Order: sequence, then C-alpha cells, then structure tokens
Amino acid sequence: NAGVTQTPKFQVLKTGQSMTLQCAQDMNHNSMYWYRQDPGMGLRLIYYSASEGTTDKGEVPNGYNVSRLNKREFSLRLESAAPSQTSVYFCASSRYGDTGELFFGEGSRLTVL
Amino acid sequence: QKEVEQDPGPLSVPEGAIVSLNCTYSNSAFQYFMWYRQYSRKGPELLMYTYSSGNKEDGRFTAQVDKSSKYISLFIRDSQPSDSATYLCAMSSPARGAGGTSYGKLTFGQGTILTVHP
Repeated sequence: NAGVTQTPKFQVLKTGQSMTLQCAQDMNHNSMYWYRQDPGMGLRLIYYSASEGTTDKGEVPNGYNVSRLNKREFSLRLESAAPSQTSVYFCASSRYGDTGELFFGEGSRLTVL
Repeated sequence: QKEVEQDPGPLSVPEGAIVSLNCTYSNSAFQYFMWYRQYSRKGPELLMYTYSSGNKEDGRFTAQVDKSSKYISLFIRDSQPSDSATYLCAMSSPARGAGGTSYGKLTFGQGTILTVHP
C-alpha cells in the first residue's frame, strides 16, 4: 500500500524561485494537511483541506498557497521562495477530520539558498 | 508558554529498560491524545491513540492520560534498539475552519529523541 506519496523528496531552490510540492493519498481520506518541521519548533500546520473543494489556513500560511485538486491530491506552492522556508515538509491525510489521526508521507526536504 | 511541552531529550537507555516519555499541556479543550513515532528521515507514524483519561496498552507500549493534571505519558517496556526514534506527543481538539468545515486541529510537542543501545 502506497499510503501518502510526496514528490519531490529533495529540492534546492534559489531565493525568489517558485515550486510546487505534490501529495497524493490512496486511502480515500477526506482531509489532507501540509505541515513543516523545523528543529526546536516541532510540526506546524501550514494549510489543510477538511474535504474536497475546501482549503483553510493553518498556523503558518504566509508565503504558501495550496490546491486540493481532487479527493486524492493536495499540492503546496511556494510562489517566491525565501531562506526561512528551508524546512522538511510533510503531507498528511485523515479519514475522520475531527479526531486528528493522521497518516504522513515521508517528507520533502527543501533548501532555499 | 507553549500549549504542549515535551522534553526534547535526548534520552539514551540500555536495551531492556523501561522508558517513560511525557508531555504536559495547557489547553483543556484537547480531547484526543496521540503518540507518533518518527524514524530518522521518515514521516511520523501513529503509535498510540487515546480519548479522554485512562490507560491504553498495545504490546510493549502503554499510553496514559491524566486530564486533571494535563499530563500524558508513553511507557515502553523491554525497550529494543528498533525503538530508537523521535517520539512526538500530539493533542487534538475539534475545530472549524473559516469555511465552516471541521478538522482535527493537532498540536504537537517538540519530540523526544530516544536511543536504545544494545
């Protein structure tokens, strides 16, 4: 079972460049999430999509945009990358939006120079 | 003050030891309590899940929630080198976004790095 698949796994960008992180889940989950993980800061929610057709801001949305393309796919876009966006990004999904049982992808390591 | 506090460690124990990992929290609205395990360069995976106060056991793992003290624990018995990982506590309260849709608003601790040496 693939679960949650993220691409790319690694990316190096220059300041000001744009890129899109892709995420797909094959568990028929309704809710999907994007988190970033930084040393000493834990996991912080960037954006989430409680169900297909809806998206909402999380704790740290500035500098990011998202698209819930369909029930399976949820992408995260950096329009103009900044060094502060150097992080490990995780996509997650959950069947029941209220409870917080999340299934995570393996992460995308992004470095912005 | 952070909503969830977790000692980042690192914690190093010999194989076979009993490990105790803890988190405290300040938000009384939290209803669901979870422990995630994260191996190096991998995504977190759900290890234990509890709702409200009490204990839950799964093999060598026991999760404990004390809502009156706002304190949760994870105990690992007979620890193995394969248990070496970062353990993240997480807590959830139902929430509604700007669009009115509900979602699990998860708040994570910083994670405790555990090493079990042979």
